[in-house]
Amino acid sequence: DVKVTQSSRYLVKRTGEKVFLECVQDMDHENMFWYRQDPGLGLRLIYFSYDVKMKEKGDIPEGYSVSREKKERFSLILESASTNQTSMYLCASSQPTGTGAYEQYFGPGTRLTVT
Amino acid sequence: LAKTTQPISMDSYEGQEVNITCSHNNIATNDYITWYQQFPSQGPRFIIQGYKTKVTNEVASLFIPADRKSSTLSLPRVSLSDTAVYYCPAYYYNTDKLIFGTGTRLQVFP
Repeated sequence: DVKVTQSSRYLVKRTGEKVFLECVQDMDHENMFWYRQDPGLGLRLIYFSYDVKMKEKGDIPEGYSVSREKKERFSLILESASTNQTSMYLCASSQPTGTGAYEQYFGPGTRLTVT
Repeated sequence: LAKTTQPISMDSYEGQEVNITCSHNNIATNDYITWYQQFPSQGPRFIIQGYKTKVTNEVASLFIPADRKSSTLSLPRVSLSDTAVYYCPAYYYNTDKLIFGTGTRLQVFP
């Protein structure tokens, strides 16, 4: 089974802190994604990566950065956490198929609270 | 740009069949249609995909008409454990992105 793990299930940080959210996948997938999920807004894509050291902005990249130094690991960085970044963060991975048949595998999520 | 639209919420009772319809605006010729399920405090999980006509697996059935502008996820005889949010994300073929939106919150009552 594909496994996507996230470093923490729950995290509490203070405003202004630098926050690292880590994601690791064990299936040698090329693509990795970071989403945030908020009530009434659904899942929104923050950043994604096709390969090591590659990154692309999603729909809401402001206030975030990412790092992918190894294929299996994709980190989301909040440079200076703010209260409006309190949210559920979900990581996903996938393997490009070259067709329209496609599946993303998600981690369990990290619920981040910024106080 | 590809986009999907689905109802925000649905209610049902145990034992009933539930059909959730999604409209697929600007779906591309090569795109498959996929559905995901998300339980509280978990990440979404893929449940079914199809290209046209009907697909069935152990979880659900997926009906896709010939014009592929919509799809219907069918859950036969739902139970309380089917209470979840169901998504039909839009797929961006040249970037492998999925755009999820708010999904349909299904509440099953006893």
